[in-house]
Amino acid sequence: DPKIIQKPKYLVAVTGSEKILICEQYLGHNAMYWYRQSAKKPLEFMFSYSYQKLMDNQTASSRFQPQSSKKNHLDLQITALKPDDSATYFCASSQGWGANSDYTFGSGTRLLVI
Amino acid sequence: GDSVTQKQGQVTLSEDDFLFINCTYSTTTYPTLLWYVQYLGQGPQLLLKVTTANNKGISRGFEATYDKGTTSFHLQKASVQESDSAVYFCALPGTGGYKVVFGSGTRLLVSP
Repeated sequence: DPKIIQKPKYLVAVTGSEKILICEQYLGHNAMYWYRQSAKKPLEFMFSYSYQKLMDNQTASSRFQPQSSKKNHLDLQITALKPDDSATYFCASSQGWGANSDYTFGSGTRLLVI
Repeated sequence: GDSVTQKQGQVTLSEDDFLFINCTYSTTTYPTLLWYVQYLGQGPQLLLKVTTANNKGISRGFEATYDKGTTSFHLQKASVQESDSAVYFCALPGTGGYKVVFGSGTRLLVSP
């Protein structure tokens, strides 16, 4: 059984629309993350959360908003979608931070904006 | 800021060849260094990590050695198999500790 569930697996969206990417982890981890992977910038860090609190944010655009309703749940809302947002978005989690935190990644949501 | 550099975009080998993937890092501290592997259609997964205490990490036949002198953390394997075909990322904890910074990745293609 997958320990990190990301939904949907594939997503096609129209330019200007809004989408929510879902992520739930069942590892009992206390930290969750979003990363983006595209041909231009492989594995780019976006956000980190711990117990529903934002810890770090490297995303310049406010169009990307993480949402955490429970500590094992971290969704990513993207508004006013652009073709440049096309990428695979990975959710990850870890127990602890920094050097001793081994990340577990989900299988990703592949987003295509047309 | 903290960064890792992988200059090889792709490495193509035959089975049983020796693998060497280059990685250099830039940081003001001596962090734990990491290698992740990403198989087609999957998310990255941790392959191995090395701290300054042990200097070398070994996992599944892969090994990496921490070299502070040359600020390098190269990945090696004596004999690759077709199943090793994947993208390999070196990484380190970013400033503040609330993220991991990844290199650009090296795609390994192994032909039978």
